[in-house]
Amino acid sequence: GEDVEQSLFLSVREGDSSVINCTYTDSSSTYLYWYKQEPGAGLQLLTYIFSNMDMKQDQRLTVLLNKKDKHLSLRIADTQTGDSAIYFCAESPNNAGNMLTFGGGTRLMVKP
Amino acid sequence: DGGITQSPKYLFRKEGQNVTLSCEQNLNHDAMYWYRQDPGQGLRLIYYSQIVNDFQKGDIAEGYSVSREKKESFPLTVTSAQKNPTAFYLCASTGTANSGANVLTFGAGSRLTVL
Repeated sequence: GEDVEQSLFLSVREGDSSVINCTYTDSSSTYLYWYKQEPGAGLQLLTYIFSNMDMKQDQRLTVLLNKKDKHLSLRIADTQTGDSAIYFCAESPNNAGNMLTFGGGTRLMVKP
Repeated sequence: DGGITQSPKYLFRKEGQNVTLSCEQNLNHDAMYWYRQDPGQGLRLIYYSQIVNDFQKGDIAEGYSVSREKKESFPLTVTSAQKNPTAFYLCASTGTANSGANVLTFGAGSRLTVL
């Protein structure tokens, strides 16, 4: 079955880059997503990448996809205190219609 | 503005009571979902509905019930049969981006506490 794994916690200093990693198991995934959850709130879509792409950049965010290793990463450049949140990766398996499978989330703490 | 509205934001329940969480969307989305989130954990799917008058069990449906009488509405009832209902509940709906990606839009969540 599908399984999406993330490390639980990441701490960085303000101004540094953050890299949040994710591994997934379903090679049929067509899209992979990154969501952000601030305390006590719902999830917001940050970005997504199609499975035939290696990289996608959107302002301070860079998504890297290694399809061979089933590894996805989210890099946040010049991390700010407002980036402190939980980040979830998710996959959309090809045979699951519009269902998403989420990882457990990585809590990013940005220290001033 | 289009979006998903969940209510109430906070809810307290005594053991043995049923409670219903509301979820309304004005995005014209066909599919809607209920997730449960426990502290420090990811999202677990409770129920989902791909179309009006149809819904399917997710991974943790026991002790919950839903209805989908209108496209805009997907209420979740937490019954007394749910052994550990204290959690943060998230409602979502799916729209398809122009690229074909299945983009989930989430509500702000409802926090249920059993006293």
